[in-house]
Amino acid sequence: DAGITQSPRHKVTETGTPVTLRCHQTENHRYMYWYRQDPGHGLRLIHYSYGVKDTDKGEVSDGYSVSRSKTEDFLLTLESATSSQTSVYFCAISESDRSNQPQHFGDGTRLSIL
Amino acid sequence: QQQVKQSPQSLIVQKGGISIINCAYENTAFDYFPWYQQFPGKGPALLIAIRPDVSEKKEGRFTISFNKSAKQFSLHIMDSQPGDSATYFCAAAWGTPLVFGKGTRLSVIA
Repeated sequence: DAGITQSPRHKVTETGTPVTLRCHQTENHRYMYWYRQDPGHGLRLIHYSYGVKDTDKGEVSDGYSVSRSKTEDFLLTLESATSSQTSVYFCAISESDRSNQPQHFGDGTRLSIL
Repeated sequence: QQQVKQSPQSLIVQKGGISIINCAYENTAFDYFPWYQQFPGKGPALLIAIRPDVSEKKEGRFTISFNKSAKQFSLHIMDSQPGDSATYFCAAAWGTPLVFGKGTRLSVIA
């Protein structure tokens, strides 16, 4: 398995609080991604990074921000969590932007916002 | 909006039968079509992938069939086993990142 660690694995928090999810990789891959998975929606891209301090928005980026200060870490922040952000969040990595480079996924963070 | 449409949403197959999941895409620039398998509590894992220059790719019991003119591709699982019970996602890409279908929950019953 690709060396991807997501933390925390589970979190329950209240509406309006800030939340930060962490993705840590040991593969030294350049590309990192954050997806959310919701029933009936599949996996939707939130943000991705193509290098340290280089990030771009995905399909569902509103309400989320990201940071990448080191190759191995990619942080996803919900500045003021809302109930609509209750979801399972997956981090993924890939070696390059060539489309045939596989993306490897972590095991997810289950986030509940009450 | 780039889209990949996946069907069916759920599928029940008898052990030993063939499971078939279909996907259709719109963007003709897509040049990579992977399938991912996901078990409960785990992240998706790459199962098999195809490029549009071939019409079929087989790996063990798993086969991708690709129809470029129809902009469709499908996953066939031969001799389906209870251990194949999982959610399957098709995806498409040109460059990065991937665009995913909404998933198919497969249940293989004995």
